[in-house]
Amino acid sequence: DTGVSQDPRHKITKRGQNVTFRCDPISEHNRLYWYRQTLGQGPEFLTYFQNEAQLEKSRLLSDRFSAERPKGSFSTLEIQRTEQGDSAMYLCASSLSGGQPQHFGDGTRLSIL
Amino acid sequence: TQLLEQSPQFLSIQEGENLTVYCNSSSVFSSLQWYRQEPGEGPVLLVTVVTGGEVKKLKRLTFQFGDARKDSSLHITAAQPGDTGLYLCAGEGRTASKLTFGTGTRLQVTL
Repeated sequence: DTGVSQDPRHKITKRGQNVTFRCDPISEHNRLYWYRQTLGQGPEFLTYFQNEAQLEKSRLLSDRFSAERPKGSFSTLEIQRTEQGDSAMYLCASSLSGGQPQHFGDGTRLSIL
Repeated sequence: TQLLEQSPQFLSIQEGENLTVYCNSSSVFSSLQWYRQEPGEGPVLLVTVVTGGEVKKLKRLTFQFGDARKDSSLHITAAQPGDTGLYLCAGEGRTASKLTFGTGTRLQVTL
């Protein structure tokens, strides 16, 4: 299966710790997106990359959040000094290019103790 | 800010019944996508509609994009338990970047 892969699937950590998630998109997909989904809500856009360039960031992405896609393939999303409100499902998606359907991974569920 | 509202929020029906889910916005979208999501998994793409007034069929599912490209509907005929899940509409703006998701419709189909 060559779908979008996310790791880890679950992360439990104490408040104040740093966490990092990884996303491997579908190969040859130039666009990579990060979304956050809280319980009972639809996903909310965080940021996206065109190859290695980060082209847009949501206001939801505070300065504690940083995302990278150094070689234009996999991406990492890091949250520093985690807070209770960071508890959510973090979803990654990829698409061939802009305007093409986005395909999602199964997400990383983050729980802050 | 582009907002998408879905109705109903929750729907519990019996196998064999028909249903329609609505997705409405005051904004125009260049395309609209429908996803289904099951607990603990990511959204799975069902269909993309692009042209105003477009109708697409996927077996028992019929999707329609409004003429003005501001709203959409999903109609399921003869629902089955396997249709149970969270249905999400998502609109893509003119910049063809992020998706704006609707509030979701949670469907439960019982025997």
